[in-house]
Amino acid sequence: GDSVTQMEGPVTLSEEAFLTINCTYTATGYPSLFWYVQYPGEGLQLLLKATKADDKGSNKGFEATYRKETTSFHLEKGSVQVSDSAVYFCALGGTGGFKTIFGAGTRLFVKA
Amino acid sequence: DTGVSQNPRHKITKRGQNVTFRCDPISEHNRLYWYRQTLGQGPEFLTYFQNEAQLEKSRLLSDRFSAERPKGSFSTLEIQRTEQGDSAMYLCASSLLLTGSNEKLFFGSGTQLSVL
Repeated sequence: GDSVTQMEGPVTLSEEAFLTINCTYTATGYPSLFWYVQYPGEGLQLLLKATKADDKGSNKGFEATYRKETTSFHLEKGSVQVSDSAVYFCALGGTGGFKTIFGAGTRLFVKA
Repeated sequence: DTGVSQNPRHKITKRGQNVTFRCDPISEHNRLYWYRQTLGQGPEFLTYFQNEAQLEKSRLLSDRFSAERPKGSFSTLEIQRTEQGDSAMYLCASSLLLTGSNEKLFFGSGTQLSVL
């Protein structure tokens, strides 16, 4: 069945460091891909999305590119801030033929 | 915009009791999902509806779990004969999925279930 695999956390970085959180997926067909974020004490919210191969989703300085050849959707940010500390979830689905399913999440801690 | 509303926020019950949770999605949304989330894990898919039709139920879900969305609006999730392993945060999400579009989920705050 369809699945999403994320790198295990926690990831601890200093402010202004470069961030990569790896995500790979398995799916029959061509789902949309998403990153959701859960800040401390808050619910999940959509961070960015990409709907087809080679699309790049971006928001709040975060980017991820839909790579069909490597079935990946890695999340990157060039310079993290303390306020980026949260749990990040990679997800696939969200089109007519797919339900949305999530990876296990990667917790990010950013130190000042 | 009232968002996705879940009730109750917290539920403490004794093992063997039945519990029911309610989710009120954003009013024009046609899809509604139930997920379960335990500490340190991602949301685990339980079931989802498109309008009033239940499209899929997770194979991992026992027969003690049942969900309904009778009029394509609010939904209920019932757990019968609760077990301690059912303790988790139960999340509801809704979306408006249109033909040819992709989906953005809006999550409720969840119902935290503790089975003693």
